[in-house]
Amino acid sequence: DVKVTQSSRYLVKRTGEKVFLECVQDMDHENMFWYRQDPGLGLRLIYFSYDVKMKEKGDIPEGYSVSREKKERFSLILESASTNQTSMYLCASSLSGTGGRNEQFFGPGTRLTVL
Amino acid sequence: SQKIEQNSEALNIQEGKTATLTCNYTNYSPAYLQWYRQDPGRGPVFLLLIRENEKEKRKERLKVTFDTTLKQSLFHITASQPADSATYLCGTGGSYIPTFGRGTSLIVHP
Repeated sequence: DVKVTQSSRYLVKRTGEKVFLECVQDMDHENMFWYRQDPGLGLRLIYFSYDVKMKEKGDIPEGYSVSREKKERFSLILESASTNQTSMYLCASSLSGTGGRNEQFFGPGTRLTVL
Repeated sequence: SQKIEQNSEALNIQEGKTATLTCNYTNYSPAYLQWYRQDPGRGPVFLLLIRENEKEKRKERLKVTFDTTLKQSLFHITASQPADSATYLCGTGGSYIPTFGRGTSLIVHP
């Protein structure tokens, strides 16, 4: 059974802390994505990666960075967490290819609260 | 950039009826449109993909249509059940960047 796992389901951090969200997929997928999801705003893409050590900005990259050192792992980093980064964070992966031709497999999500 | 629009109001229907959800896109015609189901507190789950040159795609009780003239995709669930209650997302991808609508909540009443 294909799987995307995320390191935490719930996380509470303080303003100014550095936060790491980890995502691992076991499907040998080339593409990996980080989204945040907020009520009324839907899914918004933060960053994606189409290969190891490659990354591209999505719609809302400000305040975030990413790392992909291995094919199966994609990390999202909040350099200095702020309260407006309180959200549900979703990781996804897909086979290579552009234009939405391949389905995305999503992880269970991490609900991050920044106090 | 591409924009995907879905009705933000919840759709309430009776069990056994057909639910129809709408997805409109605003710019270029995407090569593919995807539909996902999302339950509260969980990640979206892929349901169906339809290509630009396909008018219709079916999978069990699900049907998706793609009308490039209207810039619209319709998602149908026939013989709906309370277990179909969820939020349904429409999405596409231009280049590498995927774009999703905000989703429409479907509530099926017994």
